[in-house]
Amino acid sequence: QSVLTQPPSASGTPGQRVTISCSGSSSNIGSNYVYWYQQLPGTAPKLLIYRNNQRPSGVPDRFSGSKSGTSASLAISGLRSEDEADYYCAAWDDSLSVLGVFGGGTKLTVL
Amino acid sequence: QVQLVQSGSELKKPGAAVKVSCKASGYTFTSYAMNWVRQAPGQGLEWMGWINTNTGNPTYAQGFTGRFVFSLDTSVSTAYLQIRSLKAEDTAVYYCAREFGGRVWFDPWGQGTLVTVSS
Repeated sequence: QSVLTQPPSASGTPGQRVTISCSGSSSNIGSNYVYWYQQLPGTAPKLLIYRNNQRPSGVPDRFSGSKSGTSASLAISGLRSEDEADYYCAAWDDSLSVLGVFGGGTKLTVL
Repeated sequence: QVQLVQSGSELKKPGAAVKVSCKASGYTFTSYAMNWVRQAPGQGLEWMGWINTNTGNPTYAQGFTGRFVFSLDTSVSTAYLQIRSLKAEDTAVYYCAREFGGRVWFDPWGQGTLVTVSS
């Protein structure tokens, strides 16, 4: 069971807007930055969003991140077939026994 | 360009040990910490811990103490993950990831190394 909670799956049709949620607590999302990673099938994860809502160079502006309280969201607009991947949120946790934490991952299917 | 290149897949028997390498290039190795992440077959990402590339001091996540060892060879800009007394449940892809600008800010990632433990 992951410290950060994500829906296991999400789906949308090309051109649609999809959001993926990530729920945590005051010791992780509530007090630290959230990061999002995209893992295309058979490949290593890739940084998608850093510091809650910042996009690295090369990441399309169709991808956006937000955070409120102890939850965060990743939004993908203008959905494309190549967006079909697993998406993971991550945060640092300030509690004594847990440090870096990931969400369980959300498999996005483009219908 | 900045990249991390990991060693190839490994097939080991239970009880054996394995050492995975992660060679960095395109940046000053000692300027950024290195993290390790595990992904069991069909499962999500699990943070294993990190190593300070300046001091060599490792920090291990819960569940990765005892049999897991992070080490460095700064002369060749390489980080290592050693797993001792391998068990079947250690079968997974292991990733190294550079900690870029803050905790769990990982960029880039290595391509991953599949470790299979089977008799």
